[in-house]
Amino acid sequence: QVQLVQSGAEVKKPGASVKVSCKSSGYTFTDYYIHWVRQAPGQGLEWMGWINPNSGVTNYAQKYQDRVTMTRDTSISTAYMELSRLRYDDTAVYFCARGPGEYFDYWGQGTLVTVSS
Amino acid sequence: SYELTQPPSVSVSPGQTASITCSGDKLGDEYACWYQQKPGQSPVLVIYQDTKRPSGIPERFSGSNSGNTATLTISGTQAMDEADYYCQAWDSSTVVFGGGTKLTVL
Repeated sequence: QVQLVQSGAEVKKPGASVKVSCKSSGYTFTDYYIHWVRQAPGQGLEWMGWINPNSGVTNYAQKYQDRVTMTRDTSISTAYMELSRLRYDDTAVYFCARGPGEYFDYWGQGTLVTVSS
Repeated sequence: SYELTQPPSVSVSPGQTASITCSGDKLGDEYACWYQQKPGQSPVLVIYQDTKRPSGIPERFSGSNSGNTATLTISGTQAMDEADYYCQAWDSSTVVFGGGTKLTVL
């Protein structure tokens, strides 16, 4: 069965960076894009960008262009999302999701990133 | 930037039909999909490509998309359907989510 398993919760200081992993199983990793979506406490879903695991090509939401980096390691079927220069309002749950097309059919369990001094 | 607008909340009595709308400029020209999210859980896809239901999603969930509005309809709403619902579409190469609708079954 398809599974996306994310790394555990993180606590970071303002200005630091965080790197969240998303390990895929149950399908061919390079056949589907991986998207990253975040959700601030009590707020809605916000798309951050995608990576094509086959080519490594990325596309970031304009809001995150200068702070986010999405990478992958095909040898271990894992995608990564690194967000730099963290601010208090980056406190959120970060999700990875598989994108077979215009929609996301499987989601990771989410990773809580807390930015606190 | 492109925006998708949903009502913040919708209420429905058990067994009745709930309709949640999602409005955006020429939304009907793009595929829309819908996610259900319960507290503390990851979103679950309930409708994709306007009208299709993923395997395992009950038949009471249906969707439509025309003009500027996509609609998620839940027929015979059950208490377990109480959740937040988000529409999603693409604008060029960017993914856009609606603000979400809290469905209350009372």
